[in-house]
Amino acid sequence: SAVISQKPSRDICQRGTSLTIQCQVDSQVTMMFWYRQQPGQSLTLIATANQGSEATYESGFVIDKFPISRPNLTFSTLTVSNMSPEDSSIYLCSAISLDGNTEAFFGQGTRLTVV
Amino acid sequence: AQSVTQLDSQVPVFEEAPVELRCNYSSSVSVYLFWYVQYPNQGLQLLLKYLSGSTLVKGINGFEAEFNKSQTSFHLRKPSVHISDTAEYFCAVSRGFQKLVFGTGTRLLVSP
Repeated sequence: SAVISQKPSRDICQRGTSLTIQCQVDSQVTMMFWYRQQPGQSLTLIATANQGSEATYESGFVIDKFPISRPNLTFSTLTVSNMSPEDSSIYLCSAISLDGNTEAFFGQGTRLTVV
Repeated sequence: AQSVTQLDSQVPVFEEAPVELRCNYSSSVSVYLFWYVQYPNQGLQLLLKYLSGSTLVKGINGFEAEFNKSQTSFHLRKPSVHISDTAEYFCAVSRGFQKLVFGTGTRLLVSP
């Protein structure tokens, strides 16, 4: 199956700053997703990254806070803007293959700590 | 809308003992069901999936799960666990292969 690489793998950031997380897939994929995993909790979908159009955000998440780019079929970025300690989480990128007939696969995640 | 319930937040078990991790789901439409495993400081890895057909699904690392439509359950089992199975296990549902709805996870702790 395809492999997802996320950068950075971890970071410690000051409150009020922004961090951009990159997600690179080694093959073309149809859909890409960004999830958040807060400490000790499950995964919550932030948004679906659509190639050539704006991302589709889930309830409780907004573009101003989590702007997403999807310039092509293998790459996406998630920016966590104006960070606060409550944004400390693991952020995971996920994708589904181009034929849409296989399960979602995940990157290793980005562990973000906001101080 | 779909939802997933994993009743056990943590399951301690001794090595070589059998284990069952419980998962119940709620959905008004047919869904696909998945179990993912997350080892410490790593991403998620697919263990197994149920799409249709046989209700007993076999996955990697000796795990299996049984889909029970009447009880809306998809419990994960392994007849004999190893220390290396210590991890967080997530049950998830989706309509088609799109966005996943995850349960809260079950931490499996295997001790010698």
